[in-house]
Amino acid sequence: AQSVAQPEDQVNVAEGNPLTVKCTYSVSGNPYLFWYVQYPNRGLQFLLKYITGDNLVKGSYGFEAEFNKSQTSFHLKKPSALVSDSALYFCAVRDSPYSGAGSYQLTFGKGTKLSVIP
Amino acid sequence: EPEVTQTPSHQVTQMGQEVILRCVPISNHLYFYWYRQILGQKVEFLVSFYNNEISEKSEIFDDQFSVERPDGSNFTLKIRSTKLEDSAMYFCASSDLMGDRGYTFGSGTRLTVV
Repeated sequence: AQSVAQPEDQVNVAEGNPLTVKCTYSVSGNPYLFWYVQYPNRGLQFLLKYITGDNLVKGSYGFEAEFNKSQTSFHLKKPSALVSDSALYFCAVRDSPYSGAGSYQLTFGKGTKLSVIP
Repeated sequence: EPEVTQTPSHQVTQMGQEVILRCVPISNHLYFYWYRQILGQKVEFLVSFYNNEISEKSEIFDDQFSVERPDGSNFTLKIRSTKLEDSAMYFCASSDLMGDRGYTFGSGTRLTVV
């Protein structure tokens, strides 16, 4: 079974400071990893994904994430936070279809609320 | 940028009534999904659909739920007899065959059962 853990319910960071939102995962094969952002009363917006290749993935709005296979982590980062980054962030995982696991469903973490303080 | 379109954005229905939530996935995607998010909780998988049939479903997706692709563009979720606990945001998503390009989510339908 696949699972995702986001250990922090809330992260507070001052504007201009670097931010990190943590995510660890568990899958039986190789992971496909995703970060989505949700603004209040809005849908899920795709930020970035890791499928294969470079462990450092760059995405939308200056966000990046680092895939660490040994630590089974995929932390979301941004060098300099903006107030407009304040939102709910979801990490999601699925097993690679090439692993033979056969499941296409994404499993989401419970979300981390990011508050950027002016 | 292609989008997944969901209608309506908000639906209020009385308990016991049937509702149909509609989605237009990205045209060249082959897998379609429904997820739901109860207020303040995580996003949960309901069902995936490929080649005109359900490929996976979760425990949540019981006999009250059904999905259909009635034509070449729409993908619907039907709840036959709504319960108060069906109140949630329902998200439609689509992906290419292997999911390599990611999953695109719609903006959701907020269902309120009263």
